[in-house]
Amino acid sequence: DAGVTQSPTHLIKTRGQQVTLRCSPKSGHDTVSWYQQALGQGPQFIFQYYEEEERQRGNFPDRFSGHQFPNYSSELNVNALLLGDSALYLCASSSGTGGRRSPSSREQYFGPGTRLTVT
Amino acid sequence: KQEVTQIPAALSVPEGENLVLNCSFTDSAIYNLQWFRQDPGKGLTSLLLIQSSQREQTSGRLNASLDKSSGRSTLYIAASQPGDSATYLCAVNSGGGADGLTFGKGTHLIIQP
Repeated sequence: DAGVTQSPTHLIKTRGQQVTLRCSPKSGHDTVSWYQQALGQGPQFIFQYYEEEERQRGNFPDRFSGHQFPNYSSELNVNALLLGDSALYLCASSSGTGGRRSPSSREQYFGPGTRLTVT
Repeated sequence: KQEVTQIPAALSVPEGENLVLNCSFTDSAIYNLQWFRQDPGKGLTSLLLIQSSQREQTSGRLNASLDKSSGRSTLYIAASQPGDSATYLCAVNSGGGADGLTFGKGTHLIIQP
């Protein structure tokens, strides 16, 4: 049973560039969340996708955008990169309930992350 | 706004000791709480999930408790081993129609052989 996968593993970009990170959820999961983890900090929630729509968003600027595809995989796009965007980007997946009711019981499973370095 | 605090920030103990990691959160209206383990430069491995209606969960040498009314959770590790060395993260799901987790900064644990 494949777990959550992310690509690429590492990425180096220059300030002002744009980047796209990819995530495939665990088999049977339909909800994908993205987190940013700076060095020495806990992960910070960016946004979550369910049924191909952004369902919840954390305190991140519009430079951060995403997409979810019909096969439940997801992309995170960051425009106009800043040095402060250097971080480990984590994707998490969970099993949906078939609707939008309270997701009280869903355990989240994380991928290995993408290390982004902005120079 | 939910805030999660983990104490201590770092801990170093000899192999074989039992130890307790602490997590506190400011808003007691949570749906669940998860404990994770993170090895350096790696992703997160889920250890235990406690629903808001539960008091504790156990998995092998790990036991997590939840006191929602006081905004506290503890992770108990029995008979620690060098392989337990990692950063342990606590995260709460405050609901709101989605699963965005709020994390603490973690406890960096070193088990000395």
